[in-house]
Amino acid sequence: GESVGLHLPTLSVQEGDNSIINCAYSNSASDYFIWYKQESGKGPQFIIDIRSNMDKRQGQRVTVLLNKTVKHLSLQIAATQPGDSAVYFCAENRGTSYGKLTFGQGTILTVHP
Amino acid sequence: DGGITQSPKYLFRKEGQNVTLSCEQNLNHDAMYWYRQDPGQGLRLIYYSQIVNDFQKGDIAEGYSVSREKKESFPLTVTSAQKNPTAFYLCASRTDKGSPLHFGNGTRLTVT
Repeated sequence: GESVGLHLPTLSVQEGDNSIINCAYSNSASDYFIWYKQESGKGPQFIIDIRSNMDKRQGQRVTVLLNKTVKHLSLQIAATQPGDSAVYFCAENRGTSYGKLTFGQGTILTVHP
Repeated sequence: DGGITQSPKYLFRKEGQNVTLSCEQNLNHDAMYWYRQDPGQGLRLIYYSQIVNDFQKGDIAEGYSVSREKKESFPLTVTSAQKNPTAFYLCASRTDKGSPLHFGNGTRLTVT
């Protein structure tokens, strides 16, 4: 079936390291992808997005890479800090409907000082 | 500051009672959403609304109801027909289908 999923449910890194969180999607019709960060007890916070006509997009300390050939999305966080510890979700939007935004299960990122 | 306000943060109810969760946004967004989040699972869509006086069922609408009488407000009622209502409920909004969702900080509902 159609799904958005994550390869690794948990990721532990040392402060200052770079982090890479991966996401696989199965619907080739998806044309818009979003990464969210969720801290405990709070709602998801938008990090960065990318459209299907792009391969890479950079923000402040974050980069999203999109590989449409293998339907893979990744979030790279540079110089990871303890404040980056959270659950990270990817989401895909099929673009044809307001309702078709599907979320992955999430990856728990833990940053050790 | 613009944002989405969900209230209350924690809600406790007895089984068999209906309960309404509030969601207000001042972002002037047309579309509003309700998601449910359970441990170990991604967000699941309950209902969404593209414009005032219109709403659509999501993937898990059974046992829930919504209204959209004003652009700023999208309350969710969890009815006694919902078999497993205890969860973290998230409200969101966005400008259009090519823009990210903005989320509130959720309401944790516990039904005993």
